[in-house]
Amino acid sequence: DAGVIQSPRHEVTEMGQEVTLRCKPISGHDYLFWYRQTMMRGLELLIYFNNNVPIDDSGMPEDRFSAKMPNASFSTLKIQPSEPRDSAVYFCASSLRQGAGDTQYFGPGTRLTVL
Amino acid sequence: LAKTTQPISMDSYEGQEVNITCSHNNIATNDYITWYQQFPSQGPRFIIQGYKTKVTNEVASLFIPADRKSSTLSLPRVSLSDTAVYYCLVGDIWTSGSARQLTFGSGTQLTVLP
Repeated sequence: DAGVIQSPRHEVTEMGQEVTLRCKPISGHDYLFWYRQTMMRGLELLIYFNNNVPIDDSGMPEDRFSAKMPNASFSTLKIQPSEPRDSAVYFCASSLRQGAGDTQYFGPGTRLTVL
Repeated sequence: LAKTTQPISMDSYEGQEVNITCSHNNIATNDYITWYQQFPSQGPRFIIQGYKTKVTNEVASLFIPADRKSSTLSLPRVSLSDTAVYYCLVGDIWTSGSARQLTFGSGTQLTVLP
């Protein structure tokens, strides 16, 4: 399996622009997570899906952030409008519940820079 | 919410055993303890997971005392390539239904010296 795939790997945009990050989870995994990582705040969970349905979005910082999962093999995280403070590395992870515990497989991340 | 506390950084030399301890005083009955490793410019990678006592796999061991209020990740004979940030994660979304239970914490920067 190719693992979790994220695109783009790097994104540079200007304040006010719309940004869309994409994720393809590992085939067969039924959970998908979006994280944000910064030096100041570390690794923060933004939202997660189970079987394409958003379960907990309490980590989404504000209404400018939205996430969708139209099917089992694709998810997007959108920021509109973007702001400099959104600059961070955004990770997508997927997981398969196998009775107990939690093992998440992370993608390589998208480094977002908002100027 | 099970908050975790880890040392910010640790140094070791090649070939030594490294033990990183994580405190999680508020761990819940259903919570599992999971450790991840993260290299620069990469996503975290699963290392090991346990619920109680001791778990061992090909890369590490995890020691969990009876009260489960802490856990220790043990890396045998580290090499330079083990230099990374190590995160202790405590939680279980499967029963709690909330990802708020998944708290990565600040992690421990392990630096292996030659």
